[in-house]
Amino acid sequence: DGGITQSPKYLFRKEGQNVTLSCEQNLNHDAMYWYRQDPGQGLRLIYYSQIVNDFQKGDIAEGYSVSREKKESFPLTVTSAQKNPTAFYLCASSGYRGGYYEQYFGPGTRLTVT
Amino acid sequence: RKEVEQDPGPFNVPEGATVAFNCTYSNSASQSFFWYRQDCRKEPKLLMSVYSSGNEDGRFTAQLNRASQYISLLIRDSKLSDSATYLCVVNSWGKLQFGAGTQVVVTP
Repeated sequence: DGGITQSPKYLFRKEGQNVTLSCEQNLNHDAMYWYRQDPGQGLRLIYYSQIVNDFQKGDIAEGYSVSREKKESFPLTVTSAQKNPTAFYLCASSGYRGGYYEQYFGPGTRLTVT
Repeated sequence: RKEVEQDPGPFNVPEGATVAFNCTYSNSASQSFFWYRQDCRKEPKLLMSVYSSGNEDGRFTAQLNRASQYISLLIRDSKLSDSATYLCVVNSWGKLQFGAGTQVVVTP
């Protein structure tokens, strides 16, 4: 089955700790993305990568870091510098399907920092 | 002004009825548009892509009005399982902008 996996589903951390969220896809998509979703708000783009070994900041990159060493993997680190890290984090990848360029999401990681 | 705006709802719809709601966008150069469905505490799932004036898929119809810069989603013969939040997504030169979603609640 092709898809996007994220782990863990729920994550709890103490303030001041860095935490890394995993995202893997086997859709053979070049582009991958990280978003965060807060209650009542639309998804906001944190980082994206169009190709291996390259990535770009999104709208809210401060306090986050990423790497793209393999096409299949795009992990996100939430650092202690991120002021409000508690959120629902969604990883996505994009590719062509039936002639259209579409984006698909993983199941998400719900991070709680106390 | 937000780049993509949606009425948050909720739209309370009796089972079997029709419901429609709009999404407005600010960038007139936007190329493509999508409707995603998001269930509570789950990831968004692609419902429909809208590349021309509209698209129909079973009970769901999406329409695009470029002159007025809005897209609409119409759900006919609503099912209880249609209860969800519907996200409008606009693609402007490869960058996706998400609306905050419209909540639809289908009641028996």
